[in-house]
Amino acid sequence: SAVISQKPSRDICQRGTSLTIQCQVDSQVTMMFWYRQQPGQSLTLIATANQGSEATYESGFVIDKFPISRPNLTFSTLTVSNMSPEDSSIYLCSVRHNQETQYFGPGTRLLVL
Amino acid sequence: DAKTTQPPSMDCAEGRAANLPCNHSTISGNEYVYWYRQIHSQGPQYIIHGLKNNETNEMASLIITEDRKSSTLILPHATLRDTAVYYCIVRGAGNMLTFGGGTRLMVKP
Repeated sequence: SAVISQKPSRDICQRGTSLTIQCQVDSQVTMMFWYRQQPGQSLTLIATANQGSEATYESGFVIDKFPISRPNLTFSTLTVSNMSPEDSSIYLCSVRHNQETQYFGPGTRLLVL
Repeated sequence: DAKTTQPPSMDCAEGRAANLPCNHSTISGNEYVYWYRQIHSQGPQYIIHGLKNNETNEMASLIITEDRKSSTLILPHATLRDTAVYYCIVRGAGNMLTFGGGTRLMVKP
């Protein structure tokens, strides 16, 4: 299984600011994903981070709000831009190599005041 | 990917087997059944997956009915640390995981 780390593990931010979350995997993976889990809710896929090209966003999520980078096969970042209290969530990085099992990072807990 | 239906919550006595059901009546032939769990404030943890045969690993057993329209995750000897939300997900090869509401399992002493 892949070992996934995320930074920061948690943060408290002011509205109107932006936060960049980093995801690092201990091995090269073909697919990297970003999910959001709002308080008391299940996980929702934000986007697939594509290496060397623009991310593929799910319905309801846009690049201006959640820009994503993936410079190589082991690293990705998600930025939450111009934050509001509604962005308070757990943000989770997830990876999969080819058709194999998908694994999740520990999550980043974000509180926006 | 096919939709799944799970009971919202279940209780289990510590040391007893926990049997978590999942219905996936619209599953297609090339879709796998995956189980994950999420312990409070942590990322989802992979448990087990299967296509049509029953599967067992160090964490759990997965029993899939012959028609593949339902499955049961079995934790043979539940402990307090197994208290979590358990997600049953049907996924076709190459597709992303889509999470439903899951079953909140409470293991009680």
